[in-house]
Amino acid sequence: GQQLNQSPQSMFIQEGEDVSMNCTSSSIFNTWLWYKQDPGEGPVLLIALYKAGELTSNGRLTAQFGITRKDSFLNISASIPSDVGIYFCAGGISNFGNEKLTFGTGTRLTIIP
Amino acid sequence: SQTIHQWPATLVQPVGSPLSLECTVEGTSNPNLYWYRQAAGRGLQLLFYSVGIGQISSEVPQNLSASRPQDRQFILSSKKLLLSDSGFYLCAWSVEQGTFFGPGTRLTVL
Repeated sequence: GQQLNQSPQSMFIQEGEDVSMNCTSSSIFNTWLWYKQDPGEGPVLLIALYKAGELTSNGRLTAQFGITRKDSFLNISASIPSDVGIYFCAGGISNFGNEKLTFGTGTRLTIIP
Repeated sequence: SQTIHQWPATLVQPVGSPLSLECTVEGTSNPNLYWYRQAAGRGLQLLFYSVGIGQISSEVPQNLSASRPQDRQFILSSKKLLLSDSGFYLCAWSVEQGTFFGPGTRLTVL
């Protein structure tokens, strides 16, 4: 099935650094969501975006819904050890989160001691 | 608050054996329910979704089936497992605020 292009595939950073990752699609989505997954667990919803151009924050996390509706980015400021994990973007067609999602390929975040 | 349960947490099954994974949701009524599969190091692929009791839609042709016998129960099954059925199976439910995932079942087919 279709997958979103997510980059970078992996990131190695030092604690305290800012992180930026993005997701692009060849087709339009009306909903963008960002998830974090820890090993052996289900993904946890971080931020949901429902409107083109929308910029939403959740603590140190900030995500934007691209104006073309074909992309989204997630920023993490001042990274801490618990930020380690795999981050997935997901796109949906309906205007709410109540629907089938297409997932990105994931960005693995590692913090170097 | 809403919670979602999946069991078993891990499962090792021989090729050709049957499969039954169960998912239940608490704290909500008439949710949309989903089964996703995640191969090692990969993103999630939607397998089935259900908008109500007895209503199942399949997203990809495969060796698996799904059923929804009760409003808050979603079951993933197979009559004969294949090696390629190995993976991490995630049940999810959705409301307007987003889609929320269960803890997952790690299936290994040997």
